[in-house]
Amino acid sequence: QVQLQESGPGLVKPSETLSLTCTVSGGSVSSGSYYWSWIRQPPGKGLEWIGYIYYSGSTNYNPSLKSRVTISVDTSKNQFSLKLSSVTAADTAVYYCAREVLVRGFWYFDLWGRGTLVTVSS
Amino acid sequence: DIQMTQSPSSLSASVGDRVTITCQASQDISNYLNWYQQKPGKAPKLLIYDASNLETGVPSRFSGSGSGTDFTFTISSLQPEDIATYYCQQYDNLPRAFGQGTRLEIK
Repeated sequence: QVQLQESGPGLVKPSETLSLTCTVSGGSVSSGSYYWSWIRQPPGKGLEWIGYIYYSGSTNYNPSLKSRVTISVDTSKNQFSLKLSSVTAADTAVYYCAREVLVRGFWYFDLWGRGTLVTVSS
Repeated sequence: DIQMTQSPSSLSASVGDRVTITCQASQDISNYLNWYQQKPGKAPKLLIYDASNLETGVPSRFSGSGSGTDFTFTISSLQPEDIATYYCQQYDNLPRAFGQGTRLEIK
């Protein structure tokens, strides 16, 4: 059974870089059928798609965050990572890693990590 | 970017009630719409894909319909375990976008 697990600091100072890693267990990040995504949810608010990476390294980011986001993949460790620079309090959120799958022409997020709360505060 | 607008933002209903949530896209997205359920403190869970297809293992009281810009999500007979927030999500284009959510409570 494939599982995703987020890890990283729960507290980041304003203007610094948020760094999170998602470890894929029970499956391979190198599978060609999936996009590996980051999605965030500010406390009490809705879901915001941050971006995705394909195992080849191809990425796509939300234009609202594009200037500050980098998503990378490490196939040797079966992980993918998120870096968000110049953070402010508005970046405080639960960050989820998720798998987006293409099935018979349909895309959907079929697997999610449990999420990790990152608070931006001095 | 495509904007997704859900309504209502919250609703209260009784066990056994029929519940309907609507989702409107800012442009035609064909059938490229999913519905998710999120319970407090948990990650979202896929319920409906491609506007009307029930994900495997999801109870048949959940259903979806619509195409183009207007979509509907229905619970035919509300159960206590359905208390959650529901989100629509479009995948017609990038960036992926979610509705703002509909919080469902029991009366």
